[in-house]
Amino acid sequence: AQTVTQSQPEMSVQEAETVTLSCTYDTSESDYYLFWYKQPPSRQMILVIRQEAYKQQNATENRFSVNFQKAAKSFSLKISDSQLGDAAMYFCAYREISSGSARQLTFGSGTQLTVLP
Amino acid sequence: NAGVTQTPKFQVLKTGQSMTLQCAQDMNHEYMSWYRQDPGMGLRLIHYSVGAGITDQGEVPNGYNVSRSTTEDFPLRLLSAAPSQTSVYFCASRSGEVAKNIQYFGAGTRLSVL
Repeated sequence: AQTVTQSQPEMSVQEAETVTLSCTYDTSESDYYLFWYKQPPSRQMILVIRQEAYKQQNATENRFSVNFQKAAKSFSLKISDSQLGDAAMYFCAYREISSGSARQLTFGSGTQLTVLP
Repeated sequence: NAGVTQTPKFQVLKTGQSMTLQCAQDMNHEYMSWYRQDPGMGLRLIHYSVGAGITDQGEVPNGYNVSRSTTEDFPLRLLSAAPSQTSVYFCASRSGEVAKNIQYFGAGTRLSVL
């Protein structure tokens, strides 16, 4: 079974600084998706960024970027120019791609990010 | 732009009571799923459905029932609530098309079982 591990339960960053959240996963599949979700105090799950495993280029969405290392099964999230609104719980998630797959998301345990003014 | 709608937002039950958590989506998504979120454990899959009339178990299905009579609705039933079911529950949906693989989540239901 696939597993997703986030080894940092809590992180903090100074406003305007850069922070990197770590995620590793275990799978025997070659094709899959990886996601980072943000969960603010409102509890809403918000998709931050996604990466297709077959793409070598790291995904980027404005201040958010990933470092995807397929061989190492590592998928870290970098937040640049951190803002107070970035404070939230961040979840790393995995899903198989295979044609017709009904696979749902497998989540890590989350990293609580605090942004210090 | 309703997306995925969950009701209720909060619920308190006594042990042994039954209830249904409602979930509806208006995006004509084939796939729907239920997750529970517990502190320090992330979200875990309870049940999911790939279309009307088709459901399957996830990682933690015990104590929960589901059915999918329409594309839009995917209710989660607790037949006899237990304190271990105290959690936050999320419903999610996504298209079955590989190219449209974003999962959309409801706002969650916080359930307390006393």
